[in-house]
Amino acid sequence: DVVMTQSPLSLPVTLGQPASISCRSSQSLVYSDGNTYLIWFQQRPGQSPRRLIYNVSNRDSGVPDRFSGSGSGTDFTLKISRVEAEDVGVYYCMQGTHWPHTFGQGTKLEIK
Amino acid sequence: EVQLVESGGGLVQPGGSLRLSCAASGFTFSSYWMSWVRQAPGKGLEWVANIKQDGSEKYYVDSVKGRFTISRDNAKNSLFLQMNSLRVEDTAVYYCAREVGIWGQGTLVTVSS
Repeated sequence: DVVMTQSPLSLPVTLGQPASISCRSSQSLVYSDGNTYLIWFQQRPGQSPRRLIYNVSNRDSGVPDRFSGSGSGTDFTLKISRVEAEDVGVYYCMQGTHWPHTFGQGTKLEIK
Repeated sequence: EVQLVESGGGLVQPGGSLRLSCAASGFTFSSYWMSWVRQAPGKGLEWVANIKQDGSEKYYVDSVKGRFTISRDNAKNSLFLQMNSLRVEDTAVYYCAREVGIWGQGTLVTVSS
């Protein structure tokens, strides 16, 4: 199975400051169709997960543009340009290229 | 409004069975892959199973193979997860998801004696 490794696992951030989460996969996530199925989710406390980014860098509808995704192959990053209070929660990366699909351990973002 | 509503969770003894359902509305259900994803209490997310639009392809995480069966009824806009031989470690909130882009609110399955 493809192992997804996130860092850091805990991320204290001051309001208005940037934040960055790394996600590394144990195998390339480039699929035979040329797409890279790397997805980022946000899970606020007590809520269901919400997809933020798909195919590495495509923001879902309604996701603020302060969220951005980048990367290629096995190395990916989620960036928040200026953290707001509503961004508190756990962030997960997930690969949808290989079966079984696998998630990272999650990164808990909190306000310092 | 696009909506997924899970039901069927509850308390079951080890070795028992449960059938989860997910009612979809607000979109053309038959056009999408559908997934089940679970989250044990206080833990991270674990993908469980996927099913193709017409049901012709199904994929499972190893830990549930042979015990869980994913299915769908496109005429009734419904997704199912039949769970047999349940184990304590299957205790989790089970989410239904449309290609992991839209998620339901989840249903709690507790396996305990």
